Amino acid sequence: AQSVSQHNHHVILSEAASLELGCNYSYGGTVNLFWYVQYPGQHLQLLLKYFSGDPLVKGIKGFEAEFIKSKFSFNLRKPSVQWSDTAEYFCAVNGGGSSNTGKLIFGQGTTLQVKP
Amino acid sequence: EPEVTQTPSHQVTQMGQEVILRCVPISNHLYFYWYRQILGQKVEFLVSFYNNEISEKSEIFDDQFSVERPDGSNFTLKIRSTKLEDSAMYFCASHLVETQYFGPGTRLLVL
Repeated sequence: AQSVSQHNHHVILSEAASLELGCNYSYGGTVNLFWYVQYPGQHLQLLLKYFSGDPLVKGIKGFEAEFIKSKFSFNLRKPSVQWSDTAEYFCAVNGGGSSNTGKLIFGQGTTLQVKP
Repeated sequence: EPEVTQTPSHQVTQMGQEVILRCVPISNHLYFYWYRQILGQKVEFLVSFYNNEISEKSEIFDDQFSVERPDGSNFTLKIRSTKLEDSAMYFCASHLVETQYFGPGTRLLVL
C-alpha cells in the first residue's frame, strides 16, 4: 500500500538549534518527493521537491532534504531554525512518469514549535 | 505570484444539505485536485481532474461527491447530502507540470 510516515508529530526546539524531520515512504515504482509547510493561518506551500538527479535538494528558507532510496527516506533538515519556522511540515509523495495522475499521498504532518 | 484561491473560507451547513466549494486554480494550469483534512488527521486525496474529466478518485469520493469546471476558470466540489463526517478542511490544488500549488482551504462544518 502507498503510504508516508512522519516519525515526529510534535517537535520543540530553541532558536539556532538544528532540525531534522523524518519521512519514510512506501510506494512502488518511481517517486517524486515533496515537503510542504503550512504556517499558522496560511495555506500549504512547497518547501522543496525531489524528482531525480542529485539526492540532496535545497529548498527555500535554508531547508534541504536528502533522498535515500535504499532507506525509502526523505528527511528534512535545517542547520539553524528561527522562530519564524514555527509551522506544520508535511512530507508527500506521488508517482513519477507521464502516466501518473499526480495524486499526492501525505504524511500525518509534524508540528514544529521554535522557542525564541 | 499567481495563487490558487478558494471560497468560502468557512462554511457551516446542516446535515443533509448540499454544499458547493469553489476554487480558482492558477490560470494556465491543467491538472486540478481536491484534498481534505479532517481535524487531527492526514491530508487525504479526494479526486484529480484533467481535460474536463476525473482522472483518479479515492474511495472517499463516493456518489455524494462531484466535481466540475463549469466555465474554464472555476473548479468546484459539490457534496450532495452532507454528513457529519464530511466536516473537514478542503483544499484545492492545481499544477501545470509536476508541482502542485494549494489554495488556502475551505473549512466545512456539518452540524
